[in-house]
Amino acid sequence: DVKVTQSSRYLVKRTGEKVFLECVQDMDHENMFWYRQDPGLGLRLIYFSYDVKMKEKGDIPEGYSVSREKKERFSLILESASTNQTSMYLCASSLWFGGRDRGYNEQFFGPGTRLTVL
Amino acid sequence: ILNVEQSPQSLHVQEGDSTNFTCSFPSSNFYALHWYRWETAKSPEALFVMTLNGDEKKKGRISATLNTKEGYSYLYIKGSQPEDSATYLCAFDAGGTSYGKLTFGQGTILTVHP
Repeated sequence: DVKVTQSSRYLVKRTGEKVFLECVQDMDHENMFWYRQDPGLGLRLIYFSYDVKMKEKGDIPEGYSVSREKKERFSLILESASTNQTSMYLCASSLWFGGRDRGYNEQFFGPGTRLTVL
Repeated sequence: ILNVEQSPQSLHVQEGDSTNFTCSFPSSNFYALHWYRWETAKSPEALFVMTLNGDEKKKGRISATLNTKEGYSYLYIKGSQPEDSATYLCAFDAGGTSYGKLTFGQGTILTVHP
């Protein structure tokens, strides 16, 4: 079974603190993703990484950065946490299924970290 | 940013009712459409992946259909049970060099009352 783990289920931080959210996957997946989920807005992509040290901005990267020094680990960093970053954060990794024709990528998710910034 | 819409946003049904919800997505640059189920305190898990127009998938009491020409997918649950209560997410995959990136809808929150 694919396993994606996140360092904390619940986290409470103060405004201005630097926050690290860690994600580890054990299946040697190339691609990893960070999302935030807010009521009524679904999952929104913050950043993704397609290889070690490679990263690309998603739809809402402002206020965040990421680090991928090892293939299995993808970290999300809030340089200076703000109250509008209170949210559920989900990490995922993806695997390609199928052959050369009409395969697809499937994402596997961690359990999420509920971050509250006071 | 791609526009993927789900409706309704939330749904309350009684045990035994059948229900369905909708995901609409861009009909251009379609590669695949994913459905996920996300139960409280758990990780989202994949239900279906559909890649071809007219695809129909079924898993137990849950089924899904796909119309890529008009850009929509329906998810059906027959005889809902309380354990079906979850958020159901659809996700659009534009394929190409997207590195497996998906664009998610807002989700439909289903509550099944005993």
